[in-house]
Amino acid sequence: NAGVTQTPKFQVLKTGQSMTLQCAQDMNHEYMSWYRQDPGMGLRLIHYSVGAGITDQGEVPNGYNVSRSTTEDFPLRLLSAAPSQTSVYFCASSYSPQGEQYFGPGTRLTVT
Amino acid sequence: SQELEQSPQSLIVQEGKNLTINCTSSKTLYGLYWYKQKYGEGLIFLMMLQKGGEEKSHEKITAKLDEKKQQSSLHITASQPSHAGIYLCGAAAGSSNTGKLIFGQGTTLQVKP
Repeated sequence: NAGVTQTPKFQVLKTGQSMTLQCAQDMNHEYMSWYRQDPGMGLRLIHYSVGAGITDQGEVPNGYNVSRSTTEDFPLRLLSAAPSQTSVYFCASSYSPQGEQYFGPGTRLTVT
Repeated sequence: SQELEQSPQSLIVQEGKNLTINCTSSKTLYGLYWYKQKYGEGLIFLMMLQKGGEEKSHEKITAKLDEKKQQSSLHITASQPSHAGIYLCGAAAGSSNTGKLIFGQGTTLQVKP
């Protein structure tokens, strides 16, 4: 199993550009989440999903969209990038709501 | 909303020394997770605690959840350079059926050889 994979690993965007961060897992996990990590602030939840077709907002959803058309994939879309979205983004998945969350390696995004 | 506070924020210890990291919640904890992160990498799951008074160990790392279920501690015995990294505690946020976690701000550990 590859576990949780994320692409790209690094990305530089200009203000106003849009892009999609990809996340995929091959463990047949229903629960998937997107977090952003900023210095001194730990991880903050952006959006999450409890299964294909079901998504909801987390703590910091503004400026981001998600969809979950399959169990495996959970892409995160930046609609119009802003410098405040410069961060490291992590995708995670788990088999059950109380179970261990498996994290991807992260995408380091810089918005200039 | 629930918040997790970790202390200390950073720690430098000499190899071989013991250390403790604390995680305090503003509300009752119904599941507490400890993760370790090396710089530039993803999070590695260490342990999960659910019951008040529960204690788990893995190699030289022991985690406890206090009886009142609002604080957890992570203790490392005889630290090694391989223990260096960022330690994060996480807890179930809101309903326990969503898989949502909130995290503390992290504790950065350096171990001097």
